Amino acid sequence: DGGITQSPKYLFRKEGQNVTLSCEQNLNHDAMYWYRQDPGQGLRLIYYSQIVNDFQKGDIAEGYSVSREKKESFPLTVTSAQKNPTAFYLCASSGTSGGGTQYFGPGTRLLVL
Amino acid sequence: GQQVMQIPQYQHVQEGEDFTTYCNSSTTLSNIQWYKQRPGGHPVFLIQLVKSGEVKKQKRLTFQFGEAKKNSSLHITATQTTDVGTYFCAGLADSSYKLIFGSGTRLLVRP
Repeated sequence: DGGITQSPKYLFRKEGQNVTLSCEQNLNHDAMYWYRQDPGQGLRLIYYSQIVNDFQKGDIAEGYSVSREKKESFPLTVTSAQKNPTAFYLCASSGTSGGGTQYFGPGTRLLVL
Repeated sequence: GQQVMQIPQYQHVQEGEDFTTYCNSSTTLSNIQWYKQRPGGHPVFLIQLVKSGEVKKQKRLTFQFGEAKKNSSLHITATQTTDVGTYFCAGLADSSYKLIFGSGTRLLVRP
């Protein structure tokens, strides 16, 4: 797991509810990433952060928000604006901000009730 | 924008047969990485290729980076049931900060 933890492992969301997924790393990595994976599909980038207090939108940022107040933490909020949030969410970190090896957490499976 | 295509989408082989997955980028890459995701798990880094024409081996796995640095392949010799999973390539284009992942090839191995 490379020192990255994600919680919870499973999360259930009601319609219209915001939920926050946790991602913590103790690898002293500068860069962190959030990906969404749908069944049988590849990884799509939601947000990424190259350094503390800075982050950029990825390819599918609509309906999501992030913060990067600490180097170790990069929480992802799935807002009610995300109309199809059911997916597997993966957090990753890398020691270099430009395309270095990415270490993934175990993921959070989000299901909308 | 940059795209990374990966084929085939699925491959079902008999244990002991070989397996190959191919990755093609729409732009020249500065590096390409390969990851393996076991069923129900998360992607795990396998290897990174940087040089044009580079070939690297890890036991039964052989990774190649094309001369033009726009394509790559992963070949597994004599597959085993432990090879089951989805193999992703991920490319970093020149002057980019983002890895672009291919859609993955899911390998199933019949014992």
